[in-house]
Amino acid sequence: IAGITQAPTSQILAAGRRMTLRCTQDMRHNAMYWYRQDLGLGLRLIHYSNTAGTTGKGEVPDGYSVSRANTDDFPLTLASAVPSQTSVYFCASSEGTSVNEQFFGPGTRLTVL
Amino acid sequence: GESVGLHLPTLSVQEGDNSIINCAYSNSASDYFIWYKQESGKGPQFIIDIRSNMDKRQGQRVTVLLNKTVKHLSLQIAATQPGDSAVYFCAEKKSNFGNEKLTFGTGTRLTIIP
Repeated sequence: IAGITQAPTSQILAAGRRMTLRCTQDMRHNAMYWYRQDLGLGLRLIHYSNTAGTTGKGEVPDGYSVSRANTDDFPLTLASAVPSQTSVYFCASSEGTSVNEQFFGPGTRLTVL
Repeated sequence: GESVGLHLPTLSVQEGDNSIINCAYSNSASDYFIWYKQESGKGPQFIIDIRSNMDKRQGQRVTVLLNKTVKHLSLQIAATQPGDSAVYFCAEKKSNFGNEKLTFGTGTRLTIIP
């Protein structure tokens, strides 16, 4: 079934550790996104990529980095995790230049202690 | 500052009745408004969008209404079913020097009463 996969499903991480959240899509979508979802705050955009080889900062980029070496993969890295990065992380993709219909992965629940 | 999605946090509706989920926005420059549905344990799923120069758009069992005078957006779900139980988010699309981004509201949890 075509779609977006994320790994891991959940993770408990000690503060200060490095962590990479993986995201892969098989829909050949150009654009990909990373959001974090916190209770009462909805979804907030962390980073995005309009096409392979390019990335951009979203609303809350500090403490996170991304890369887009190819169309399918868009990993999100926390270089040195802090407790405020405890959240549910969603990867999404959209086709062409239309961002209205984004396809979301199942999410990664990250807890930083 | 800009904001979108001043939602009531929860809404309970009797199965079979119509549901109306509301959203207020403050950014008049948005060119699209979009509704997403998020079921428990899953990622959000696109429902329907409406261009800012339209007042109404209908989909399958859903209707979105846009009132630009009072900056209000609503999602109407006809004949609500148990599968409609979810959190519903409104979002607005803004363009900034060719970059288009969605800004999501905080969501409304819809509970269906059997």
